[in-house]
Amino acid sequence: DQQVKQNSPSLSVQEGRISILNCDYTNSMFDYFLWYKKYPAEGPTFLISISSIKDKNEDGRFTVFLNKSAKHLSLHIVPSQPGDSAVYFCARTQGAQKLVFGQGTRLTINP
Amino acid sequence: KAGVTQTPRYLIKTRGQQVTLSCSPISGHRSVSWYQQTPGQGLQFLFEYFSETQRNKGNFPGRFSGRQFSNSRSEMNVSTLELGDSALYLCASSWRGAISPLHFGNGTRLTVT
Repeated sequence: DQQVKQNSPSLSVQEGRISILNCDYTNSMFDYFLWYKKYPAEGPTFLISISSIKDKNEDGRFTVFLNKSAKHLSLHIVPSQPGDSAVYFCARTQGAQKLVFGQGTRLTINP
Repeated sequence: KAGVTQTPRYLIKTRGQQVTLSCSPISGHRSVSWYQQTPGQGLQFLFEYFSETQRNKGNFPGRFSGRQFSNSRSEMNVSTLELGDSALYLCASSWRGAISPLHFGNGTRLTVT
């Protein structure tokens, strides 16, 4: 069974600093990993993805790193802004169009 | 371009009743997926429809069903509601290409009393 785990339910970071969100996974195959952001009363919004054949993908302030030997995925947000305060979910594909999500990490950016 | 639209936003039902939720995908998207979000289980995949056919199904009982229409709009139905069915139900649409991110609606909050 392919799983993703986010072991930190919450994270607090000062505005302007780097936010690092982590995710561990099991049973890797050729997959895509994705990060979603969710505000209260809204659906998740796609942020960034990475193929399992890559180590890094960058999009503006967001960078995702994939460490295949450690089966670890991380999302870096630099610099962190107040609007980044949300719940972040990592996810992996399991067959076409099916995503398996982690439990989420609540990120709070403090002014 | 309009996003994924889910109706209704909120719903209160009684145990034993049934409920139908509706989803209109982004124009041009032909794949529609449904997810359930609860505090205990997180976001869990229910099923996916493409070209009016269920292509993939999660580990939910047969009380949960869905369908897709020729215009790609989708509905999901839950029969014989249980208290544990209280959740946020999210619909997502995509192109169903090699890897295309899912675009989620804002969900339907179902409360079963």
